[in-house]
Amino acid sequence: GAVVSQHPSWVICKSGTSVKIECRSLDFQATTMFWYRQFPKQSLMLMATSNEGSKATYEQGVEKDKFLINHASLTLSTLTVTSAHPEDSSFYICSAPARVPGELFFGEGSRLTVL
Amino acid sequence: DAKTTQPNSMESNEEEPVHLPCNHSTISGTDYIHWYRQLPSQGPEYVIHGLTSNVNNRMASLAIAEDRKSSTLILHRATLRDAAVYYCILRGDFFGNEKLTFGTGTRLTIIP
Repeated sequence: GAVVSQHPSWVICKSGTSVKIECRSLDFQATTMFWYRQFPKQSLMLMATSNEGSKATYEQGVEKDKFLINHASLTLSTLTVTSAHPEDSSFYICSAPARVPGELFFGEGSRLTVL
Repeated sequence: DAKTTQPNSMESNEEEPVHLPCNHSTISGTDYIHWYRQLPSQGPEYVIHGLTSNVNNRMASLAIAEDRKSSTLILHRATLRDAAVYYCILRGDFFGNEKLTFGTGTRLTIIP
């Protein structure tokens, strides 16, 4: 079964609204989680690293004020897309490290469509 | 992280072995070779990883060239459920380096 769960799996929203996506580690603790974005027919692009109890680390070119990340507990990280616009429509995927170095557990992904 | 090169797409017949190549000529001595796959509309899943020696697990085998500049993921008997995009990723072995950088991968189509 899934060890990293995302919610919602899909969401449709109006332009200008904010959307929150949750990523939970099931039955294990994750001090670090990673958020990726994937546009159609493209590869995954790392957006940011979520750190429990501290600020997230964003990749170059990713607006931290637009993509708010909160990692308030050892099992939950949230990504909030603020003032969403159609160009933010994408597949957002979170992941958490497994016990084996280099192995990541990925969530099922959350498909965001902004109208 | 060093770059990998994979064919954009490959096809294979069902129930036959599949060999997915990956070139990584600039690999460093401490880079691990990881393979993930992504089924349609899902997040990626771990397949296998290795450093120097060939590796086997229940999903696949990983054959690593002696000079480590290339590797091959082997699916011994492809099924329709193996249709996915396969990513070959290098990860530097240093403390705290858990993140993975994905390339374009190989889209594997299985022909019934």
